[in-house]
Amino acid sequence: LAKTTQPISMDSYEGQEVNITCSHNNIATNDYITWYQQFPSQGPRFIIQGYKTKVTNEVASLFIPADRKSSTLSLPRVSLSDTAVYYCLVGEAGYSTLTFGKGTMLLVSP
Amino acid sequence: DVKVTQSSRYLVKRTGEKVFLECVQDMDHENMFWYRQDPGLGLRLIYFSYDVKMKEKGDIPEGYSVSREKKERFSLILESASTNQTSMYLCASSLPGTSGENEQFFGPGTRLTVL
Repeated sequence: LAKTTQPISMDSYEGQEVNITCSHNNIATNDYITWYQQFPSQGPRFIIQGYKTKVTNEVASLFIPADRKSSTLSLPRVSLSDTAVYYCLVGEAGYSTLTFGKGTMLLVSP
Repeated sequence: DVKVTQSSRYLVKRTGEKVFLECVQDMDHENMFWYRQDPGLGLRLIYFSYDVKMKEKGDIPEGYSVSREKKERFSLILESASTNQTSMYLCASSLPGTSGENEQFFGPGTRLTVL
């Protein structure tokens, strides 16, 4: 099984915009792209989901190019509380040929 | 408030013991999942179930089995625990679908230590 590929870690400062990219070259036609956030000692929680182009909600934006082989999670004006691990999931676990990747550890500093 | 609960937050077992990890969801979800999470390896799917009594192997099913006798409950069983099964175990549930169109709701996790 192929995995999605994300940077292992990223550093940022409060108030900056953070963009985390996930590569998924083998995405299937029907697969959705979902991003999750995980704090220590908690289960992951849903942030945003998209299929193509751009999706925006109250906490993030998701950019998906036309070929859908990658996606970028954009967090505007991060705060210390955004320090967490971010995972992208492509398709449905168990059905997709892609799986959860190793996640990106985002550290936001003052 | 939707909820996925796991029977224990922390568990310590001995090598060779049979271990049961229980997961209950109150959202009437068809899909349920068991993952393990290890440092540097991310989330890896062990088993999943799309209906009562139905189960499918995930990426790393060896050494594990599952049971789903009721829609709301999905159990992970370690028949004979080994030290390499020391890990964080996460349960999740979602509405039916095969393309990831429905978000997964995760439990808080069970940190299992096998001595």
